[in-house]
Amino acid sequence: AQKITQTQPGMFVQEKEAVTLDCTYDTSDQSYGLFWYKQPSSGEMIFLIYQGSYDEQNATEGRYSLNFQKARKSANLVISASQLGDSAMYFCAMRDEGGSQGNLIFGKGTKLSVKP
Amino acid sequence: GAGVSQSPSNKVTEKGKDVELRCDPISGHTALYWYRQSLGQGLEFLIYFQGNSAPDKSGLPSDRFSAERTGGSVSTLTIQRTQQEDSAVYLCASSWGARRQPQHFGDGTRLSIL
Repeated sequence: AQKITQTQPGMFVQEKEAVTLDCTYDTSDQSYGLFWYKQPSSGEMIFLIYQGSYDEQNATEGRYSLNFQKARKSANLVISASQLGDSAMYFCAMRDEGGSQGNLIFGKGTKLSVKP
Repeated sequence: GAGVSQSPSNKVTEKGKDVELRCDPISGHTALYWYRQSLGQGLEFLIYFQGNSAPDKSGLPSDRFSAERTGGSVSTLTIQRTQQEDSAVYLCASSWGARRQPQHFGDGTRLSIL
């Protein structure tokens, strides 16, 4: 069975600094995808970044990058130059991509607070 | 709008009543998903529709929950004989249903059972 673990219930970061949000996963699938979503207090789930299990390079999207270490089964999100608007819940998720592309399995999330 | 649309945004009902939640996916997306988000359980998968295939109902918590998707577009999640533990935010998402494609979420329906 697939499982996502996010060990940091809450994190604080100073504005303009970088922060790493941890995510480890467990799966027996060979082909899978890893996703990060942001959920502000308003409630919407916003897709941030994707990493495929066979991708050789770490994914980057603007200030977001994914530190993918396949052997360690970790997919940490790095946010550079934090902004006040980055304060939100962050969810790591995975999906089997070897067969039909089905549902996401989510971690419990990390609440990030950016301090001015 | 171009995003996933859910209605109502809030629903308050009495225990034992039936409720219907609606999801209008992004135009052209073949895959549609329902999730539930609650404080105790986090984000849980409920049901998944892909094109004309039979839906994956493996996440539905009981036979009081059902969903349909008409014409490959709009979906309705129905909860019969609601219980207090059904109180949660119900999120709908849609995607192209292919590898590497993210799911795009609606704003959710906050369901409160009195």
